[in-house]
Amino acid sequence: GDSVTQMEGPVTLSEEACLTINCTYTATGYPSLFWYVQYPGEGLQLLLKATKADDKGSNKGFEATYRKETTSFHLEKGSVQVSDSAVYFCALTSNTGNQFYFGTGTSLTVIP
Amino acid sequence: EAGVAQSPRYKIIEKRQSVAFWCNPISGHATLYWYQQILGQGPKLLIQFQNNGVVDDSQLPKDRFSAERLKGVDSTLKIQPAKLEDSAVYLCASNPQGGYEQFFGPGTRLTVL
Repeated sequence: GDSVTQMEGPVTLSEEACLTINCTYTATGYPSLFWYVQYPGEGLQLLLKATKADDKGSNKGFEATYRKETTSFHLEKGSVQVSDSAVYFCALTSNTGNQFYFGTGTSLTVIP
Repeated sequence: EAGVAQSPRYKIIEKRQSVAFWCNPISGHATLYWYQQILGQGPKLLIQFQNNGVVDDSQLPKDRFSAERLKGVDSTLKIQPAKLEDSAVYLCASNPQGGYEQFFGPGTRLTVL
């Protein structure tokens, strides 16, 4: 069945460091891919999405490119801030329905 | 536009007690989801509604969990009786028919003692 595997954490970075959180997926057909962010005590918020191969999603300095050949959707940011400290979830939804499959989440802590 | 509303935000109960959570999705969103998120894990789908019909409840522990969405708008999720392993955050999400993005509420954090 469809699934998402993402890099285990926790990840601790200094402010202004580069971030990469790996995400790979297994799916039939052509899924849509998402990154959600969960700040402490809050629900999940959509960070970015890509709905077809080679699409690049971007928001708040974060980027991820839908790579069909490697079945990946890695999250990147060139310079992280303390306010980026959160848990990041990779997710997919198949094109046959709107059920979501989430990864286990990667906790990011950015220290000043 | 108002977001997905959930209440209560926090609930502490003892095992074998009952508890209910409420969700009001974004106006006009046909699809509503309940997820269980155990600490350190990703959300796990419990049940999916399309309007007031159940689309998927394959992972809902039906011996103790129930959910309804009688008028196709707000929804309640009930646990009766609760077990220690039910301690988790219960997230509600919605999306419009045909839409891909899910919009999440703030969640209800349940602690079972």
